[in-house]
Amino acid sequence: EDQVTQSPEALRLQEGESSSLNCSYTVSGLRGLFWYRQDPGKGPEFLFTLYSAGEEKEKERLKATLTKKESFLHITAPKPEDSATYLCAVPSSGGYQKVTFGTGTKLQVIP
Amino acid sequence: DTGVSQNPRHKITKRGQNVTFRCDPISEHNRLYWYRQTLGQGPEFLTYFQNEAQLEKSRLLSDRFSAERPKGSFSTLEIQRTEQGDSAMYLCASSVDSRLSNYGYTFGSGTRLTVV
Repeated sequence: EDQVTQSPEALRLQEGESSSLNCSYTVSGLRGLFWYRQDPGKGPEFLFTLYSAGEEKEKERLKATLTKKESFLHITAPKPEDSATYLCAVPSSGGYQKVTFGTGTKLQVIP
Repeated sequence: DTGVSQNPRHKITKRGQNVTFRCDPISEHNRLYWYRQTLGQGPEFLTYFQNEAQLEKSRLLSDRFSAERPKGSFSTLEIQRTEQGDSAMYLCASSVDSRLSNYGYTFGSGTRLTVV
């Protein structure tokens, strides 16, 4: 069964304090990995798709990287508006129609 | 196009009542998905449609749950004889096609169901 584990569960950073979130996965035949951001009371918002080990993608203060067993979301000099829950997800080994999400990392950035 | 729209945003119902949620996907997206999310958890897959055909259902979707997508446009998710364990956020998402898209899914803001 596909599994996605995210750590830490929660992270509190001072504004400007860089850090990384981890997503480890177990899936037979990785077809890619998604990162989403979710604000309270809203649906997840797509951030990145990573297709293969070694790939990196950046968006503003966020950079996502992928290895054969895990992905990292690096946050450089975060601002309070980066506070959210960050979810990673992988398509199921049975096809792209089902995606398995992790439980997320709740990030709080303090001014 | 204003994205994926879900109605209602909130629903409070008594145990045993039936509820129905609606999802209007992005018009050019032929795939539509329903997920359920409880507090502190990631979204869990419920079912998905390609056009009007329901192609996969999760084991989580008991006989009390039914979803439709008539004419491949909007979709409805009905829960019959609601139970307190059905309390959750019900999320709808849509996407362009079956391949791993650079744009992932577009989610709606969800319908929060509370069963009292």
